[in-house]
Amino acid sequence: DTAVSQTPKYLVTQMGNDKSIKCEQNLGHDTMYWYKQDSKKFLKIMFSYNNKELIINETVPNRFSPKSPDKAHLNLHINSLELGDSAVYFCASSPQVNNEQFFGPGTRLTVL
Amino acid sequence: DAKTTQPNSMESNEEEPVHLPCNHSTISGTDYIHWYRQLPSQGPEYVIHGLTSNVNNRMASLAIAEDRKSSTLILHRATLRDAAVYYCILLTGGGADGLTFGKGTHLIIQP
Repeated sequence: DTAVSQTPKYLVTQMGNDKSIKCEQNLGHDTMYWYKQDSKKFLKIMFSYNNKELIINETVPNRFSPKSPDKAHLNLHINSLELGDSAVYFCASSPQVNNEQFFGPGTRLTVL
Repeated sequence: DAKTTQPNSMESNEEEPVHLPCNHSTISGTDYIHWYRQLPSQGPEYVIHGLTSNVNNRMASLAIAEDRKSSTLILHRATLRDAAVYYCILLTGGGADGLTFGKGTHLIIQP
């Protein structure tokens, strides 16, 4: 069974559209994260979500919003997509904030 | 920004040990040292972490200097599947703000 899964794996869309990426973890973890990996392969934390507390990286535009319907899911909504949003987005989870993180396979977003 | 310094790349031969260094001279007393790796076209994968004492697990060993200003990830017998980018990361404070990845070390394994 996949521990951290993301859908879709690939997402191609036009500028200005609104899209969502879903993340689910079946590990029973309390904390989930979203990371962005740009074309230069730099990985940056976007959000962490622990027991309904959201911590946002200040560099993330407010067009990005995480939504957690329950502890096992943390979806990423993106409004008014821009060319610069093209990247690979990784979801991760951990049992507690100082433990190891388990990453999903990534979603490659391409904005045309 | 990352608070660690790693060589951009290293090369090793298959079935030989690999020592990947990391400097973290500004580490604070509550910072954990984490290592992750990312294989091509995959998400990052946890390798090992420690605080003060050396650590061993099935994947690797972590040797931490006595002053904690540097550490070394040891792969005891490298295989071609160990070719990846290895990241040394300090998990600051409670860690709730996630991992801060630097550029990492690109490990090349020669057959």
